[in-house]
Amino acid sequence: DIVMTQSPLSLSVTLGQPASISCRSSQSLVHSSGNTYLNWFQQRPGQSPRRLIYKVSNRDSGVPDRFSGSGSGTDFTLKISKVEAEDVGVYYCLQGTQWPPWTFGQGTKLEIK
Amino acid sequence: QVQLVESGGGVVQPGRSLRLSCVASGFIFSNYGMHWVRQAPGKGLEWVAIIWNGGDNEQYADSVKGRFIISRDNSKNTLYLQMNSLRVEDTAVYYCVREFNGVGPDFWGQGTLVTVSS
Repeated sequence: DIVMTQSPLSLSVTLGQPASISCRSSQSLVHSSGNTYLNWFQQRPGQSPRRLIYKVSNRDSGVPDRFSGSGSGTDFTLKISKVEAEDVGVYYCLQGTQWPPWTFGQGTKLEIK
Repeated sequence: QVQLVESGGGVVQPGRSLRLSCVASGFIFSNYGMHWVRQAPGKGLEWVAIIWNGGDNEQYADSVKGRFIISRDNSKNTLYLQMNSLRVEDTAVYYCVREFNGVGPDFWGQGTLVTVSS
């Protein structure tokens, strides 16, 4: 199974400042198709997860452009250019390249300083 | 808009069974694979099972293989999870999640809480 490792596990950020979350996989996430199936989810307090980014860098509809995804191979990053209060929650990466199982990172808790 | 509504959660004793349901709307259910993903209280997300759109191909996490059965009724736009031989460690919120054309899970339901306790 592919193991996904996120860092940091918690993040305290001042409003308006940037935030960055790393996600590393134990194996390359490049699929035989050439695609890389690395997705990012946001889970606000008391809510279900919501997908933000799919295939490394594609933002879902309605996701603010302050969210961006990047990376390749085994190293990936979710960046928030200017953190807003509504960004508080837990962020998860997920690999969908080699399954089963689909595997999530442990989650990174973002709070406002 | 896409809606996934889970039901069937509750409190159950270890060793007993429970069946979860998820009713889908807002998209052509029979065109999509569907996952169950769970989240233990205060913990992260764990993938449980998938059933592909035709209903004839399923896969399971090792932690539930042989105990849980995922199924679907495309005529009723409904996904199921039959959970047998439940264990305390199966306690979690269970989410019904749509599979986005081989890219991975995309849209999530609100979840239903299963508590396994004596």
